[in-house]
Amino acid sequence: GAVVSQHPSWVICKSGTSVKIECRSLDFQATTMFWYRQFPKQSLMLMATSNEGSKATYEQGVEKDKFLINHASLTLSTLTVTSAHPEDSSFYICSARGDREHTEAFFGQGTRLTVV
Amino acid sequence: GEDVEQSLFLSVREGDSSVINCTYTDSSSTYLYWYKQEPGAGLQLLTYIFSNMDMKQDQRLTVLLNKKDKHLSLRIADTQTGDSAIYFCAEADNYGQNFVFGPGTRLSVLP
Repeated sequence: GAVVSQHPSWVICKSGTSVKIECRSLDFQATTMFWYRQFPKQSLMLMATSNEGSKATYEQGVEKDKFLINHASLTLSTLTVTSAHPEDSSFYICSARGDREHTEAFFGQGTRLTVV
Repeated sequence: GEDVEQSLFLSVREGDSSVINCTYTDSSSTYLYWYKQEPGAGLQLLTYIFSNMDMKQDQRLTVLLNKKDKHLSLRIADTQTGDSAIYFCAEADNYGQNFVFGPGTRLSVLP
């Protein structure tokens, strides 16, 4: 199946700094990418949906200035957590789907962010 | 809004069958998925079923869908210790977007 690579797998950063997470589709063109966040013992929560070349659509309650999403190409989307705080510590997962009638959403391996 | 529910825990003995249940509320859901998450790893798509199907079988996995009751189940035959993980049920719309995930069921396989 298609492969989505997410990098880094884990990151520790200091409070107040920014962290960028990359999501790449390796063998298909991802016209749409999704960013999820998983809180401990809870399910995935969709944060935003991004389409290549346009602004991301954020879910209610997600601060777009806090979580910057850039989908600059058909194979790369980035999520930047700006001015990170300990409460931003979480597991972030991206998924991608192509432009054909294709229902599978391929997921990255996730990034565990710890803000200290 | 849409809601997907699952029981949070399930324990089975190695070699037995596991049945993980899921209920959803959105009757317009077109695709229903089962994902597996192993510790420290991302989600792995196990299987999915279209809403116009009742059953789908793939090796040790059997998915049953009762659209009338909005009930989805995943049966794992001959459960092995490597099957220990969290299993997420998810629904998506006609375009394969707007995923709504359940809380996940933690499957523990006892020797």
